Amino acid sequence: ETGVTQSPTHLIKTRGQQVTLRCSSQSGHNTVSWYQQALGQGPQFIFQYYREEENGRGNFPPRFSGLQFPNYSSELNVNALELDDSALYLCASSLGIARETQYFGPGTRLLVL
Amino acid sequence: TQLLEQSPQFLSIQEGENLTVYCNSSSVFSSLQWYRQEPGEGPVLLVTVVTGGEVKKLKRLTFQFGDARKDSSLHITAAQPGDTGLYLCAGGSNSGYALNFGKGTSLLVTP
Repeated sequence: ETGVTQSPTHLIKTRGQQVTLRCSSQSGHNTVSWYQQALGQGPQFIFQYYREEENGRGNFPPRFSGLQFPNYSSELNVNALELDDSALYLCASSLGIARETQYFGPGTRLLVL
Repeated sequence: TQLLEQSPQFLSIQEGENLTVYCNSSSVFSSLQWYRQEPGEGPVLLVTVVTGGEVKKLKRLTFQFGDARKDSSLHITAAQPGDTGLYLCAGGSNSGYALNFGKGTSLLVTP
């Protein structure tokens, strides 16, 4: 059974640029959630995708967008990067929605200069 | 937003000592989860507690969910250096799909 994988592991961008982060869910899982973890903080929920549709969203602006593909992998896109977007971006997969155990990937460390 | 407060924020102890970390909220949660996160890695689920008053044990770790389902504690007996990490509690939100995380307790166990 393959766990949650994310790419790239590290990324450096400059302010105003756009970035795409990728996540492959655990085998058999149809739900992907994305979280942002700033240094010294707990993860903050960005949004969740279930069967290729956005199922819920946290308090993040529209420049944070996502996609889920038929194989349940997912992308997180961030436009017009700001310095405060520097963080560890975590992807978590689960089987179904609502109170299901979420399994996290290792994250992508994004640095915005 | 259902806020979770964790205490202490930092804890440094020696191998063999016991410790307890806390996770508190003014909100009722349907469930609470505890994760351990090591540097450069994603959180790894330790346990999920669902029933008020529930106690779960995982080797030297004991987890308790408050009777009112607003708080939880994690007790580690005879801590080992391998227990070092960031301990996060997370609650299931009212919406059902998001996890609300606390800021975590950073634990350092020295030999």
